[in-house]
Amino acid sequence: DAEITQSPRHKITETGRQVTLACHQTWNHNNMFWYRQDLGHGLRLIHYSYGVHDTNKGEVSDGYSVSRSNTEDLPLTLESAASSQTSVYFCASSATSSGVDTQYFGPGTRLTVL
Amino acid sequence: DQQVKQNSPSLSVQEGRISILNCDYTNSMFDYFLWYKKYPAEGPTFLISISSIKDKNEDGRFTVFLNKSAKHLSLHIVPSQPGDSAVYFCAAFRGYGNKLVFGAGTILRVKS
Repeated sequence: DAEITQSPRHKITETGRQVTLACHQTWNHNNMFWYRQDLGHGLRLIHYSYGVHDTNKGEVSDGYSVSRSNTEDLPLTLESAASSQTSVYFCASSATSSGVDTQYFGPGTRLTVL
Repeated sequence: DQQVKQNSPSLSVQEGRISILNCDYTNSMFDYFLWYKKYPAEGPTFLISISSIKDKNEDGRFTVFLNKSAKHLSLHIVPSQPGDSAVYFCAAFRGYGNKLVFGAGTILRVKS
């Protein structure tokens, strides 16, 4: 069955370190998204991609970067981790950007920055 | 500026009764609305949606109502079951790019 996976599921790091969170989907979806979930804010969009070599900034992109070298993967990199980036991170994918389409979410990565 | 608001952080309902979760939005350009359900330690999963050209959409025990003039939508769960206990997110879509704007979520607890 097609799925979307994230790794690691839990990560503890120190302020200033570079961290990369992995997202891999086997749906063959063109669109991939990264969100963070924080209490009182719901899910906020960090970065998104509509296809290979395409990346776009979301509403909370500062301090994060992504790259899309193939259809299946969209890794999220925190260049220099800050305590404000402690959060739960979700990756999602969907088939088309032309019109609304259901987004399928991964299980999440809980990141703690000390 | 939160464009999608879920003003009730939590809701507690007795098993068998109706659960009503509310969502308000500020952007009149939103033309599609979705509800996602999330269990602890899992990702959100799609539950039900409604287009702005409709005022009601039903799927089994779940019904979503849309009041465009009030910029308000609600999710009704009848009858509520303990397995419905989860966080429910309201999300809105603006007609291009498949980007969703989410509310803060409402924790639903269904007591048996």
